Formats: sequence, C-alpha cells, structure tokens
Amino acid sequence: EAGVAQSPRYKIIEKRQSVAFWCNPISGHATLYWYQQILGQGPKLLIQFQNNGVVDDSQLPKDRFSAERLKGVDSTLKIQPAKLEDSAVYLCASSRTGTGGDGYTFGSGTRLTVV
Amino acid sequence: RKEVEQDPGPFNVPEGATVAFNCTYSNSASQSFFWYRQDCRKEPKLLMSVYSSGNEDGRFTAQLNRASQYISLLIRDSKLSDSATYLCVEANQAGTALIFGKGTTLSVSS
Repeated sequence: EAGVAQSPRYKIIEKRQSVAFWCNPISGHATLYWYQQILGQGPKLLIQFQNNGVVDDSQLPKDRFSAERLKGVDSTLKIQPAKLEDSAVYLCASSRTGTGGDGYTFGSGTRLTVV
Repeated sequence: RKEVEQDPGPFNVPEGATVAFNCTYSNSASQSFFWYRQDCRKEPKLLMSVYSSGNEDGRFTAQLNRASQYISLLIRDSKLSDSATYLCVEANQAGTALIFGKGTTLSVSS
C-alpha cells in the first residue's frame, strides 16, 4: 500500500511569514496525527484527528498554529506567523484503528527552517 | 504530560556487543509501550511492542517492569546497521496516541 505522503519536503521561510504543510494519509486510515520534532528531541504530538474531527489539540500553539482535515482525508497544518523556534521537522502519521502503536505509519516529514 | 525519560547517550559500541537501553515512565496507569527506531533524517518506525512477559524478535528483546516503571531494550550481537536513535514510546491515557521520549542514540562501529 502507498505510504503517508507529505509535502513539501523542505521549506525555508523568514520569521513572521506563514507556511502550510500538507499530508495525505494511507487510504482507509481514520486517525491522523501531526507531530513536531525539534533537532535532538523526540516527536511531540501537536494534534490528532479522527476522521475530520479533532480528538486532541492540547499541545497545539493555537495562537499561531492551525490544522484542518476536511472530508476526513487530507490534512493541512499552518503556521502564521512563524517564529525561529518553529524550526523543526513536521511529521504526519496515520493509523487505521487509532489505538496507538498498532500500526502508526509516518510520512517522511517536512523540514522547516525559519530564519 | 510528562514524557518517558531516556538516557540520550550516545552509546558507542563495537560490532558484536550487547547493549541495553532503559527508559522510565511516571504514569503508573499507562498500559502500552513501544520501541521505535529512527534513522538519521528519516521518520520513526515501529521496532517492537513491549509486554510485561517480554517480547523477543531475533536479536532484540524488550521488557516492561511495572513495579519499577521502566522499559528496556536489549540488542545482542550488534550490527553496523543497528546504528540509529531508539525512541521509547508510551501510549496516552486513552490509548489513542503515542508519546515519544527524546531518544537514545546508538553508534555501532567495526
């Protein structure tokens, strides 16, 4: 089966600019996650969707980050305005059952550099 | 929410060595744990699940000690290809999302 697709692979922006990332999960996977991974750290959960509804966005900095999953398939994560500390890899993952480690599949990630 | 804690390393070992990683967790009610592997500039991939009874997959053995609240990963007969970051992972309270530790870096040399 096709994996989780993410784009772009790399993005460089100046602080205070806005940026958007796109994720297409594995077909049939109801649960979609966005993680932020800062260099030298483990992935940090930003938001979890079940179909097109938000399950958990408690760690999403809502003053600047937003995410949506219209129609319960593709998802976009937006940062506006970006700060230097947002430099990280943004990983999208999907799961068929949403029960944790049964089959999380990650995309290759989008590497964001804010200068 | 406090994440699982791991020794970041790096662990530098020769080929053929046995190496063990531990991580500790703070929520005694946590039910599910995993080890993920992440190669440099790649995405994390599931290595194995962790059970109280132990879980062995070839050269890899994972163990959960609920009394002491730690998870371990043992790698026997290390290969160069084992060089990676190993992430200790805990499922959240609802069991619907994964909480990752900071990772332990392993470097196997010839």
